[in-house]
Amino acid sequence: KAGVTQTPRYLIKTRGQQVTLSCSPISGHRSVSWYQQTPGQGLQFLFEYFSETQRNKGNFPGRFSGRQFSNSRSEMNVSTLELGDSALYLCASSWGLGGGGIEAFFGQGTRLTVV
Amino acid sequence: DAKTTQPTSMDCAEGRAANLPCNHSTISGNEYVYWYRQIHSQGPQYIIHGLKNNETNEMASLIITEDRKSSTLILPHATLRDTAVYYCIVRAWYNNNDMRFGAGTRLTVKP
Repeated sequence: KAGVTQTPRYLIKTRGQQVTLSCSPISGHRSVSWYQQTPGQGLQFLFEYFSETQRNKGNFPGRFSGRQFSNSRSEMNVSTLELGDSALYLCASSWGLGGGGIEAFFGQGTRLTVV
Repeated sequence: DAKTTQPTSMDCAEGRAANLPCNHSTISGNEYVYWYRQIHSQGPQYIIHGLKNNETNEMASLIITEDRKSSTLILPHATLRDTAVYYCIVRAWYNNNDMRFGAGTRLTVKP
């Protein structure tokens, strides 16, 4: 079974530009979440999508947005990039909602560098 | 915000058991304890989770105290490849994919 796939793996962008990152969840998984990891702030939750609807959102500015498609694939977008947006962006998928503890599986991440 | 407290770092000798503690004194009844680890900026890897009973799988054992305010992850025979940052996370059963990570414990397994 293929794991969570994130593309691209590495990206370099200039301040002020926008960027779109992609995440393909494990087959059958319907929930996708995004996380930002930086040396200073650690791993921080961005948002979660289930069945094309955003369920939860972390404490990030509106420049960070996401969406989920009917096939559960998800994209996140960052507009007007700032130097501080340089980070490893991680995507995690799980199969559903509720019903008890369910594990989430992470992709390898996209490393974004803003120059 | 993270609801757990973990030691910043720990060392363990190769072949010995690694016992990683986690404090989650404000855990509520509908929250599970999850453990993940992250090796050298790869994506975090799921290890184990539990609600109130002790759990064991092929990777590790999870011991949760009776009052559920703390837990211990046990790697029974640590290897060099177990060197990683270990995260203890408390998460409500309905929040499958909304995890609030703390700083974790950096475990170094030494030969």
